[in-house]
Amino acid sequence: TQLLEQSPQFLSIQEGENLTVYCNSSSVFSSLQWYRQEPGEGPVLLVTVVTGGEVKKLKRLTFQFGDARKDSSLHITAAQPGDTGLYLCAGTRGSQGNLIFGKGTKLSVKP
Amino acid sequence: NAGVTQTPKFQVLKTGQSMTLQCAQDMNHNSMYWYRQDPGMGLRLIYYSASEGTTDKGEVPNGYNVSRLNKREFSLRLESAAPSQTSVYFCASRTTGTYEQYFGPGTRLTVT
Repeated sequence: TQLLEQSPQFLSIQEGENLTVYCNSSSVFSSLQWYRQEPGEGPVLLVTVVTGGEVKKLKRLTFQFGDARKDSSLHITAAQPGDTGLYLCAGTRGSQGNLIFGKGTKLSVKP
Repeated sequence: NAGVTQTPKFQVLKTGQSMTLQCAQDMNHNSMYWYRQDPGMGLRLIYYSASEGTTDKGEVPNGYNVSRLNKREFSLRLESAAPSQTSVYFCASRTTGTYEQYFGPGTRLTVT
C-alpha cells in the first residue's frame, strides 16, 4: 500500500503553461516536503510545510498543505524548461522523523 | 562544505559478491539514512541511524547491513549481492529537531 499517492505520474507541457502536482494520503503527517531531482543526482529539498492550510511560495512555485495535513499540492506558474525534473513529495510520521516518499511526478517542459 | 558525499558513484557486481557503500556528511547531523530508488517505486528506506551508535531497520532491510562508524559516516554493506539489489542508492542526513533531509549524489549499482 502506497501511503502517499502522487498524480500525475508523468506530465509533458509547453513552456509558459501552468501545472499542478498532487500528493494525497489517508494518513496525517507531521510535515510534508517537496523535493526536486534531476537525472543522476540526489533529491534537493524545495520546501517543508508543517501547518494545516499553510501556503508557501518559492518564485513561480506555490506549495499548499491541506487543512487536515493529509495532502499537498505544488503549482508551477509559467513553467520553464529549467523546471524539468522529478518532483517528489515526502511526509514525516512518528518520532524518528523518517520520510515516506511518493513515487514522484516526472515533469518535462518543452521550449 | 561538501554536504553529503557517497562513494563509489557507479559499481557493477556479479551475483554473490560483496561490497560496502560509503557515506559521509560534514554538517554535524545526528541522523543518517540509506534509501534505494527503483523506477516507478520512489525512494524506500533501507536502514537509518537516529544517532551515533544506533541503527534501525527501515522498509526494505533484507540483504543489507549498516554501520554507523562515527557521527560523520554511515556505511551500507551488501554481503551477497543479488540482481534484485540493482538500484540507485542514496544516503541522507538530518539534524535533530528538523524535518529536512539532505541527500548525497547516489551510487548506481548493477548486479549481474
